[in-house]
Amino acid sequence: ETGVTQTPRHLVMGMTNKKSLKCEQHLGHNAMYWYKQSAKKPLELMFVYNFKEQTENNSVPSRFSPECPNSSHLFLHLHTLQPEDSALYLCASSQEGRDLHEQYFGPGTRLTVT
Amino acid sequence: GNSVTQMEGPVTLSEEAFLTINCTYTATGYPSLFWYVQYPGEGLQLLLKATKADDKGSNKGFEATYRKETTSFHLEKGSVQVSDSAVYFCALSGPWDDYKLSFGAGTTVTVRA
Repeated sequence: ETGVTQTPRHLVMGMTNKKSLKCEQHLGHNAMYWYKQSAKKPLELMFVYNFKEQTENNSVPSRFSPECPNSSHLFLHLHTLQPEDSALYLCASSQEGRDLHEQYFGPGTRLTVT
Repeated sequence: GNSVTQMEGPVTLSEEAFLTINCTYTATGYPSLFWYVQYPGEGLQLLLKATKADDKGSNKGFEATYRKETTSFHLEKGSVQVSDSAVYFCALSGPWDDYKLSFGAGTTVTVRA
């Protein structure tokens, strides 16, 4: 049990659909992250929220829109995606302010864009 | 900037064999170093960590030593099991307030009975 949950675990959507991925952490952390994991590519950091404020956006296309309403919840809103956006989307959290920047990951959402 | 290079896989071993996965890093100062493991169909789990030179992280029979002089953090296990089949990621963060994790590309390990 990692303390970070993600829903749904699997999602299939067409290119014209709108969907949202949800992440919730039960660890009392103050920072949350979205990563994209594609086959044969390193993990790509997409967004970082620290104390609910977005502190990082790694040149992610606008068809991905994050939302962090509080320090326990993180959403990734998806619209007009492309087939190359099919990947495993991982959420993570950490407690910033400590010396050790240890991140805890959720199980991921496997997204397929048709 | 920070970066991590780890040996490419896939690596296929027999049960009870010795496993080594090489990892080297580039960073200014003294970063924190991590090994994460991803089992099939799951997210990443922290396997072990080290925060300063000569620290040895260990967990589940795996070990890695923070070597400042060679900028390395190689992962080792003396006797692998089928259940160790997974993808292993080397990562670093910091130093200072650079809390983002920089990951290696991952090494797929398959252990056969």
